[in-house]
Amino acid sequence: AQSVTQLDSQVPVFEEAPVELRCNYSSSVSVYLFWYVQYPNQGLQLLLKYLSGSTLVESINGFEAEFNKSQTSFHLRKPSVHISDTAEYFCAVSDTNTGFQKLVFGTGTRLLVSP
Amino acid sequence: DVKVTQSSRYLVKRTGEKVFLECVQDMDHENMFWYRQDPGLGLRLIYFSYDVKMKEKGDIPEGYSVSREKKERFSLILESASTNQTSMYLCASSPLAGGRYNEQFFGPGTRLTVL
Repeated sequence: AQSVTQLDSQVPVFEEAPVELRCNYSSSVSVYLFWYVQYPNQGLQLLLKYLSGSTLVESINGFEAEFNKSQTSFHLRKPSVHISDTAEYFCAVSDTNTGFQKLVFGTGTRLLVSP
Repeated sequence: DVKVTQSSRYLVKRTGEKVFLECVQDMDHENMFWYRQDPGLGLRLIYFSYDVKMKEKGDIPEGYSVSREKKERFSLILESASTNQTSMYLCASSPLAGGRYNEQFFGPGTRLTVL
């Protein structure tokens, strides 16, 4: 079974500052890794994913995450945040062998960007 | 444009009532999922379905049942609602795996309050 730990429930940051949202996972098998974002009063949207290949993956709005197998981490970073990045971010893991692609989610990190 | 819709954004029910939450997707996806989202707990999988009339228990199926009579529709049923089922319920769908990962698309959620 897999599990995901997001240690920070809330991360306050000023606009244009860098941010890192931490995610660690536990699994005895190979995994796929994801970051989902939930803007206020909306459903979840996929932000980025790691399936294979390059360990550094990027989103279209400037976020990036690096898969670190030795540290079992998949931290999310952005060098300069905007007010519009205020949202809740969920890290998720999926067993590569699961045919139905069940996702296991972390508890979420609320990113609060202030002017 | 992919779309997952849920019948209600907000729902208020009384203890003991039978509650139906409806989810419809227009993407011809094989897989459909029901999650509940609670503060500090993230998303937890209740049930999922990989085909019409097929269902599998997720991590927290107790107190819930599901129905999938048509490919595009997946219903979550609370046979006798209780106050501890007050939560945000999210539906998602994804295409058949086919040996590779496919993204889950989420609906906007239904916030259920049981009084």
